Amino acid sequence: AQSVTQLDSQVPVFEEAPVELRCNYSSSVSVYLFWYVQYPNQGLQLLLKYLSGSTLVESINGFEAEFNKSQTSFHLRKPSVHISDTAEYFCAVSERGGGSNYKLTFGKGTLLTVNP
Amino acid sequence: ETGVTQSPTHLIKTRGQQVTLRCSSQSGHNTVSWYQQALGQGPQFIFQYYREEENGRGNFPPRFSGLQFPNYSSELNVNALELDDSALYLCASSLAGGGNEQYFGPGTRLTVT
Repeated sequence: AQSVTQLDSQVPVFEEAPVELRCNYSSSVSVYLFWYVQYPNQGLQLLLKYLSGSTLVESINGFEAEFNKSQTSFHLRKPSVHISDTAEYFCAVSERGGGSNYKLTFGKGTLLTVNP
Repeated sequence: ETGVTQSPTHLIKTRGQQVTLRCSSQSGHNTVSWYQQALGQGPQFIFQYYREEENGRGNFPPRFSGLQFPNYSSELNVNALELDDSALYLCASSLAGGGNEQYFGPGTRLTVT
């Protein structure tokens, strides 16, 4: 069984400050890793994903995450946040189950609040 | 390209009733997954449908059931509603295969009183 732990339930920061949202996972097999963002009253949107290759992945809006296999982590970072980054962020993993079942297992989420 | 849509947006039901939630997948996607997101929690996997057959199930009782239709749209049915079933129900469509992005709909907010 796989599980995801997001170590911080809430992260308040000031605008233009750097931020790191932490994510650790456990799994007995190889995994794919994802970060999703959820704005108020909306569904989830994929922010970035790690499938293979370079351990550092980037999104188009300045976020990046680094896969660390030895520490089973996939922390999300942004060097300078904007007020518009205020949202709930979810880390998720998928591993191959039976057949072609690639269910996502999510963490409990981290609420990022960017203050002016 | 039409995204994932869900209906209804909000729903209020009484304990013991039955409910059907609907999802239209994104064009070309053959896999639909359903998730339950309780308040303050991350989404939890209910089940997945691939080419009209259930293709994996999470830790949910049999009163949670589903269907996928030939056009890949899907329904989630919940019988004998309980208060703890109150949640946001999310549908996600994708192509089959690991690592493929799951595209989420806006969800249906179910309240059981």
